[in-house]
Amino acid sequence: DTAVSQTPKYLVTQMGNDKSIKCEQNLGHDTMYWYKQDSKKFLKIMFSYNNKELIINETVPNRFSPKSPDKAHLNLHINSLELGDSAVYFCASSRHADPTSSYEQYFGPGTRLTVT
Amino acid sequence: KNQVEQSPQSLIILEGKNCTLQCNYTVSPFSNLRWYKQDTGRGPVSLTIMTFSENTKSNGRYTATLDADTKQSSLHITASQLSDSASYICVVIEGGGYNKLIFGAGTRLAVHP
Repeated sequence: DTAVSQTPKYLVTQMGNDKSIKCEQNLGHDTMYWYKQDSKKFLKIMFSYNNKELIINETVPNRFSPKSPDKAHLNLHINSLELGDSAVYFCASSRHADPTSSYEQYFGPGTRLTVT
Repeated sequence: KNQVEQSPQSLIILEGKNCTLQCNYTVSPFSNLRWYKQDTGRGPVSLTIMTFSENTKSNGRYTATLDADTKQSSLHITASQLSDSASYICVVIEGGGYNKLIFGAGTRLAVHP
Protein backbone atom coordinates (compact mmCIF):
# COMPACT_ATOMS: atom_id res chain seq x y z
CA ASP A 1 0.00 0.00 0.00
CA THR A 2 2.94 2.32 -0.72
CA ALA A 3 1.72 5.85 -1.40
CA VAL A 4 4.64 7.36 -3.34
CA SER A 5 7.31 5.02 -4.62
CA GLN A 6 10.57 5.68 -6.42
CA THR A 7 13.02 3.47 -8.25
CA PRO A 8 15.84 2.92 -7.93
CA LYS A 9 16.65 3.67 -4.29
CA TYR A 10 20.35 3.96 -5.06
CA LEU A 11 22.02 4.88 -8.33
CA VAL A 12 25.76 5.02 -8.88
CA THR A 13 26.96 6.06 -12.29
CA GLN A 14 29.80 7.77 -14.09
CA MET A 15 30.00 11.31 -15.37
CA GLY A 16 28.56 11.76 -18.80
CA ASN A 17 26.03 8.95 -18.53
CA ASP A 18 22.27 9.35 -18.96
CA LYS A 19 19.99 7.96 -16.26
CA SER A 20 16.33 7.95 -15.27
CA ILE A 21 14.52 7.85 -11.96
CA LYS A 22 10.92 6.70 -11.84
CA CYS A 23 8.14 7.82 -9.52
CA GLU A 24 4.63 6.50 -9.04
CA GLN A 25 1.85 7.52 -6.67
CA ASN A 26 -1.30 5.56 -5.91
CA LEU A 27 -3.06 8.32 -3.97
CA GLY A 28 -5.11 9.62 -6.88
CA HIS A 29 -3.36 12.99 -6.64
CA ASP A 30 -3.30 15.48 -9.50
CA THR A 31 0.07 17.06 -8.78
CA MET A 32 3.54 15.57 -8.60
CA TYR A 33 6.92 17.09 -7.82
CA TRP A 34 10.63 16.46 -7.99
CA TYR A 35 12.93 17.80 -5.27
CA LYS A 36 16.69 17.72 -4.89
CA GLN A 37 18.29 17.45 -1.44
CA ASP A 38 21.94 18.37 -1.45
CA SER A 39 24.70 17.44 0.97
CA LYS A 40 23.71 20.32 3.27
CA LYS A 41 20.24 18.79 3.50
CA PHE A 42 18.48 21.69 1.81
CA LEU A 43 15.47 20.55 -0.16
CA LYS A 44 14.81 22.50 -3.36
CA ILE A 45 11.94 22.05 -5.70
CA MET A 46 12.90 21.25 -9.28
CA PHE A 47 9.66 20.56 -11.12
CA SER A 48 5.96 20.29 -10.55
CA TYR A 49 3.37 18.69 -12.81
CA ASN A 50 -0.38 19.09 -12.54
CA ASN A 51 -2.50 16.71 -14.59
CA LYS A 52 0.54 15.90 -16.74
CA GLU A 53 1.27 19.59 -17.37
CA LEU A 54 4.45 21.29 -16.22
CA ILE A 55 3.61 24.11 -13.81
CA ILE A 56 6.88 24.74 -11.96
CA ASN A 57 10.37 24.64 -13.45
CA GLU A 58 12.89 26.10 -11.06
CA THR A 59 16.00 27.12 -13.00
CA VAL A 60 17.05 23.55 -13.46
CA PRO A 61 19.62 22.77 -16.22
CA ASN A 62 17.95 21.46 -19.33
CA ARG A 63 19.91 18.24 -18.87
CA PHE A 64 17.06 17.39 -16.50
CA SER A 65 13.86 16.47 -18.28
CA PRO A 66 10.75 15.37 -16.40
CA LYS A 67 8.20 13.22 -18.16
CA SER A 68 4.68 12.52 -16.98
CA PRO A 69 3.01 9.77 -19.01
CA ASP A 70 -0.06 9.96 -16.79
CA LYS A 71 -1.21 11.57 -13.54
CA ALA A 72 0.20 8.75 -11.43
CA HIS A 73 3.72 8.85 -12.83
CA LEU A 74 6.45 11.47 -13.02
CA ASN A 75 9.84 10.30 -14.21
CA LEU A 76 13.07 12.27 -14.18
CA HIS A 77 15.60 11.79 -16.94
CA ILE A 78 19.07 13.26 -16.56
CA ASN A 79 21.46 13.60 -19.50
CA SER A 80 25.24 13.97 -19.34
CA LEU A 81 25.47 13.51 -15.60
CA GLU A 82 27.88 15.75 -13.70
CA LEU A 83 29.53 15.39 -10.29
CA GLY A 84 27.32 18.16 -8.93
CA ASP A 85 24.23 16.13 -9.70
CA SER A 86 25.08 13.84 -6.80
CA ALA A 87 22.25 14.26 -4.30
CA VAL A 88 19.10 12.62 -3.02
CA TYR A 89 16.13 13.16 -5.31
CA PHE A 90 12.66 13.04 -3.83
CA CYS A 91 9.39 12.67 -5.63
CA ALA A 92 6.22 13.97 -3.98
CA SER A 93 2.54 14.32 -4.75
CA SER A 94 -0.39 16.36 -3.52
CA ARG A 95 -4.07 16.52 -4.22
CA HIS A 96 -3.93 20.11 -5.34
CA ALA A 97 -1.42 22.16 -7.30
CA ASP A 98 -1.73 25.20 -5.06
CA PRO A 99 0.64 24.95 -2.08
CA THR A 100 -1.13 27.89 -0.49
CA SER A 101 -3.94 25.48 0.21
CA SER A 102 -3.68 23.16 3.15
CA TYR A 103 -3.23 20.07 1.05
CA GLU A 104 -0.33 18.02 2.22
CA GLN A 105 2.50 16.78 0.09
CA TYR A 106 3.45 13.14 0.39
CA PHE A 107 7.07 12.31 -0.30
CA GLY A 108 8.64 9.19 -1.71
CA PRO A 109 11.59 7.47 -0.02
CA GLY A 110 14.19 9.20 -2.18
CA THR A 111 16.77 8.10 -4.72
CA ARG A 112 20.40 8.59 -3.76
CA LEU A 113 22.32 9.44 -6.91
CA THR A 114 26.10 9.27 -6.83
CA VAL A 115 28.04 10.44 -9.85
CA THR A 116 31.69 9.37 -9.97
CA LYS B 1 15.67 37.60 -0.06
CA ASN B 2 13.14 35.05 1.15
CA GLN B 3 14.78 32.74 3.65
CA VAL B 4 13.93 30.23 6.33
CA GLU B 5 16.41 29.78 9.15
CA GLN B 6 16.21 27.07 11.76
CA SER B 7 17.90 26.69 15.10
CA PRO B 8 19.57 24.89 16.61
CA GLN B 9 21.33 23.06 13.80
CA SER B 10 21.44 19.94 15.95
CA LEU B 11 20.18 18.93 19.36
CA ILE B 12 20.70 15.99 21.71
CA ILE B 13 18.20 15.28 24.47
CA LEU B 14 17.43 12.42 26.80
CA GLU B 15 14.39 10.25 26.30
CA GLY B 16 11.36 11.64 28.08
CA LYS B 17 12.53 15.25 27.97
CA ASN B 18 10.83 18.08 26.11
CA CYS B 19 12.46 20.27 23.48
CA THR B 20 11.63 23.24 21.27
CA LEU B 21 12.90 23.86 17.77
CA GLN B 22 12.88 27.32 16.23
CA CYS B 23 12.13 28.61 12.76
CA ASN B 24 12.53 32.24 11.65
CA TYR B 25 11.52 33.35 8.21
CA THR B 26 11.67 36.42 6.04
CA VAL B 27 9.26 35.14 3.41
CA SER B 28 6.77 37.69 2.15
CA PRO B 29 3.99 37.49 1.24
CA PHE B 30 3.29 34.57 3.53
CA SER B 31 0.79 31.83 2.80
CA ASN B 32 1.37 28.97 5.20
CA LEU B 33 4.06 27.27 7.24
CA ARG B 34 4.71 23.55 7.52
CA TRP B 35 6.81 21.37 9.75
CA TYR B 36 8.11 18.09 8.38
CA LYS B 37 9.88 15.19 10.05
CA GLN B 38 12.52 13.41 8.01
CA ASP B 39 13.92 10.12 9.27
CA THR B 40 17.37 9.17 8.01
CA GLY B 41 17.17 7.71 4.53
CA ARG B 42 13.50 8.52 4.08
CA GLY B 43 11.30 11.23 2.64
CA PRO B 44 9.86 14.06 4.77
CA VAL B 45 6.53 13.46 6.47
CA SER B 46 4.18 16.33 7.24
CA LEU B 47 3.57 17.11 10.93
CA THR B 48 1.58 20.35 10.82
CA ILE B 49 0.35 22.98 8.37
CA MET B 50 -0.41 26.44 9.74
CA THR B 51 -2.03 29.35 7.95
CA PHE B 52 -1.64 33.02 8.79
CA SER B 53 -4.53 33.05 11.23
CA GLU B 54 -3.46 30.02 13.25
CA ASN B 55 -1.30 30.50 16.35
CA THR B 56 -0.94 26.93 17.47
CA LYS B 57 -1.54 23.45 16.13
CA SER B 58 -0.98 20.08 17.72
CA ASN B 59 -0.36 16.64 16.34
CA GLY B 60 0.04 14.21 19.20
CA ARG B 61 3.17 15.09 21.13
CA TYR B 62 4.09 17.74 18.55
CA THR B 63 2.84 21.30 18.99
CA ALA B 64 3.66 24.02 16.50
CA THR B 65 3.23 27.73 17.17
CA LEU B 66 3.24 30.59 14.74
CA ASP B 67 3.71 34.30 15.33
CA ALA B 68 3.09 35.92 11.97
CA ASP B 69 4.00 39.37 13.32
CA THR B 70 7.51 38.40 14.35
CA LYS B 71 7.75 35.76 11.60
CA GLN B 72 8.68 33.03 13.99
CA SER B 73 7.50 29.48 14.47
CA SER B 74 8.43 26.82 16.95
CA LEU B 75 7.92 23.08 17.17
CA HIS B 76 7.63 21.72 20.69
CA ILE B 77 8.09 18.01 21.29
CA THR B 78 6.76 16.65 24.55
CA ALA B 79 7.98 13.54 26.35
CA SER B 80 10.45 12.69 23.62
CA GLN B 81 10.86 9.13 22.40
CA LEU B 82 13.76 7.43 20.68
CA SER B 83 11.71 7.39 17.48
CA ASP B 84 11.66 11.20 17.51
CA SER B 85 15.30 11.13 16.39
CA ALA B 86 15.14 12.72 12.96
CA SER B 87 15.56 15.99 11.09
CA TYR B 88 12.77 18.52 11.49
CA ILE B 89 12.30 20.83 8.55
CA CYS B 90 10.42 24.11 8.53
CA VAL B 91 8.90 25.08 5.18
CA VAL B 92 7.27 28.41 4.37
CA ILE B 93 5.00 28.81 1.38
CA GLU B 94 5.29 32.12 -0.40
CA GLY B 95 1.89 33.58 -1.26
CA GLY B 96 0.81 36.27 -3.69
CA GLY B 97 0.59 33.91 -6.61
CA TYR B 98 4.21 32.76 -6.44
CA ASN B 99 3.36 29.63 -4.43
CA LYS B 100 6.99 28.88 -3.88
CA LEU B 101 8.09 26.46 -1.15
CA ILE B 102 11.08 27.71 0.79
CA PHE B 103 12.80 25.11 2.94
CA GLY B 104 14.91 25.53 6.04
CA ALA B 105 18.01 23.40 6.47
CA GLY B 106 16.42 21.48 9.31
CA THR B 107 17.29 20.70 12.91
CA ARG B 108 18.78 17.29 13.51
CA LEU B 109 17.39 15.89 16.77
CA ALA B 110 18.94 12.91 18.53
CA VAL B 111 17.05 11.36 21.45
CA HIS B 112 19.26 9.23 23.68
CA PRO B 113 18.09 6.63 26.20
